[in-house]
Amino acid sequence: EIVLTQSPGTLSLSPGERATLSCRASQSVSSSYLAWYQQKPGQAPRLLIYGASSRATGIPDRFSGSGSGTDFTLTISRLEPEDFAVYYCQQYGSSPPKLTFGPGTKVDIK
Amino acid sequence: QVQLQESGPGLVKPSQTLSLTCTVSGGSISSGSYYWSWIRQPAGKGLEWIGRIYTSGSTNYNPSLKSRVTISVDTSKNQFSLKLSSVTAADTAVYYCARGQWLKGNAFDIWGQGTMVTVSS
Repeated sequence: EIVLTQSPGTLSLSPGERATLSCRASQSVSSSYLAWYQQKPGQAPRLLIYGASSRATGIPDRFSGSGSGTDFTLTISRLEPEDFAVYYCQQYGSSPPKLTFGPGTKVDIK
Repeated sequence: QVQLQESGPGLVKPSQTLSLTCTVSGGSISSGSYYWSWIRQPAGKGLEWIGRIYTSGSTNYNPSLKSRVTISVDTSKNQFSLKLSSVTAADTAVYYCARGQWLKGNAFDIWGQGTMVTVSS
């Protein structure tokens, strides 16, 4: 079973700064099957990135994803006030089919 | 645009069965390269995938919940449903329904707003 670990647990930054979030898998993950979500309090998660680096519909280009194998990164180039939230990575494994989420990284205002 | 809406009891007694329905609006549940999932989130914690169903009726479940979970689909009503049996307080969570898209690497591109379910006597 693939376990996802996210770091840091909390990232304290100021608006305008760059955020770099890490997602590490316990085994190699196909890049096609790695996604990132944003969740704000009281809201459902929102898909940001799929296939490790493809932005979902309507997602601003300040969000970018990269990585392969066991190490993946979500980068927010310049934090806007609305970007302070919790971010989750998610992977799909096929044998047996299972989808798992990382524990999340909270990006809060410094 | 497609929207999802969860419905069902907000309070379930221990040992009973939790039943939720997700209604798909703005599009057919049967169209496209999609499947339909349930995901839950205990208060202040992370996300846990419960299972998924294709409109063919084919299902996959999280092994940790498999013995207690049944997901079904009613294409005539544009709905899919979750049943979780023998619930305990550990099943208290916000339950989300979501659309998975295998053309997008099995990512969940549309989510319901979530419904809070409390297990308590």
